[in-house]
Amino acid sequence: DTEVTQTPKHLVMGMTNKKSLKCEQHMGHRAMYWYKQKAKKPPELMFVYSYEKLSINESVPSRFSPECPNSSLLNLHLHALQPEDSALYLCASSHSNQPQHFGDGTRLSIL
Amino acid sequence: AQSVTQPDIHITVSEGASLELRCNYSYGATPYLFWYVQSPGQGLQLLLKYFSGDTLVQGIKGFEAEFKRSQSSFNLRKPSVHWSDAAEYFCAVVRSYNTDKLIFGTGTRLQVFP
Repeated sequence: DTEVTQTPKHLVMGMTNKKSLKCEQHMGHRAMYWYKQKAKKPPELMFVYSYEKLSINESVPSRFSPECPNSSLLNLHLHALQPEDSALYLCASSHSNQPQHFGDGTRLSIL
Repeated sequence: AQSVTQPDIHITVSEGASLELRCNYSYGATPYLFWYVQSPGQGLQLLLKYFSGDTLVQGIKGFEAEFKRSQSSFNLRKPSVHWSDAAEYFCAVVRSYNTDKLIFGTGTRLQVFP
């Protein structure tokens, strides 16, 4: 069982759709992260929120829009995605200077 | 720039055999070091971490790792591998003053034969 919960587990969407990925943690962690992972590759950092403020954006295209409504929730809004955006999207959270805890991810397929 | 190298893309061992996965890092000072494991269709699970102190670190599932500053290495070991250990293993590093930017190695896929 993971302490970082991601929904949905699987998502199939067309290139014109708008959808959102959700991540939740109740460990009181101050930082939350979005990663993208392609098959047989390590995760790539997309965004970091620290104390509910966006602190790192790794030059991610604007069709990905993160949101942190509160300290326990992290969303990733998706719009007009491309087929190459198909991947496993991982959420993680951490205390300051502590290891990141990962969720099981959302498997995203773009048609 | 920081980097992490995992020289072995794929390793195959027999169940019960010992295991060592290699990890080398490039960083001027002592970084924070981690090993994560990822089973198919799942997220990453932390096996162990090194921040400072004793250079031999014990982790979960019977794994251990040894930090060797002189070799810039943080190799993962297990004395007896179980079939359930088959997975992808990632070594990762962060700067001690900015733990948000986790740098991953390319991963080592472990296959276990009965």
